[in-house]
Amino acid sequence: QKEVEQNSGPLSVPEGAIASLNCTYSDRGSQSFFWYRQYSGKSPELIMSIYSNGDKEDGRFTAQLNKASQYVSLLIRDSQPSDSATYLCAVNRQLSFGAGTTVTVRA
Amino acid sequence: EAQVTQNPRYLITVTGKKLTVTCSQNMNHEYMSWYRQDPGLGLRQIYYSMNVEVTDKGDVPEGYKVSRKEKRNFPLILESPSPNQTSLYFCASMRGALLSNQPQHFGDGTRLSIL
Repeated sequence: QKEVEQNSGPLSVPEGAIASLNCTYSDRGSQSFFWYRQYSGKSPELIMSIYSNGDKEDGRFTAQLNKASQYVSLLIRDSQPSDSATYLCAVNRQLSFGAGTTVTVRA
Repeated sequence: EAQVTQNPRYLITVTGKKLTVTCSQNMNHEYMSWYRQDPGLGLRQIYYSMNVEVTDKGDVPEGYKVSRKEKRNFPLILESPSPNQTSLYFCASMRGALLSNQPQHFGDGTRLSIL
């Protein structure tokens, strides 16, 4: 089993809709979780971090963490074409990344 | 400006010709790491370093070497490159130790093509 698994993409959503990305991890002792966004050919950039169970909101992004179920998700509300990118889930205990989910927002 | 700088950004070379990709960070970070990224496989860690003179293998270390003689620099060495090392490489740094709750800062990437 991979340490960090993300729902397979690509994910295509219409402009203005909610994009939902999921990530599960295997190490129950993990304490910190990150979502990075990566545009094609560019380096990953941090968009959200979450450490406690529950929801954390930052603008149009909401991260949700459930340590008991070992999953973390990212919601992108009011999706815009500029949100089209690959989103990487990272679990910092192992410094492991998921393979990424590619999101395409169609106008 | 806080940054991780990789050089070169692009390189086309031939099998067997030794090459080095340099990585330097100006944030005084303890932790540095190298990743390769291939389509469908995501980011895979090659080597990491928790501090000066401390390096360890990641998930895909075969065919690579690293050194950490100074805190700011973490070069990636391909002694005898092969075509299967054609990839996009990222260097990253992070404040604190391995279990730190800090995010990683990435360089702009190096696209290597081995013919």
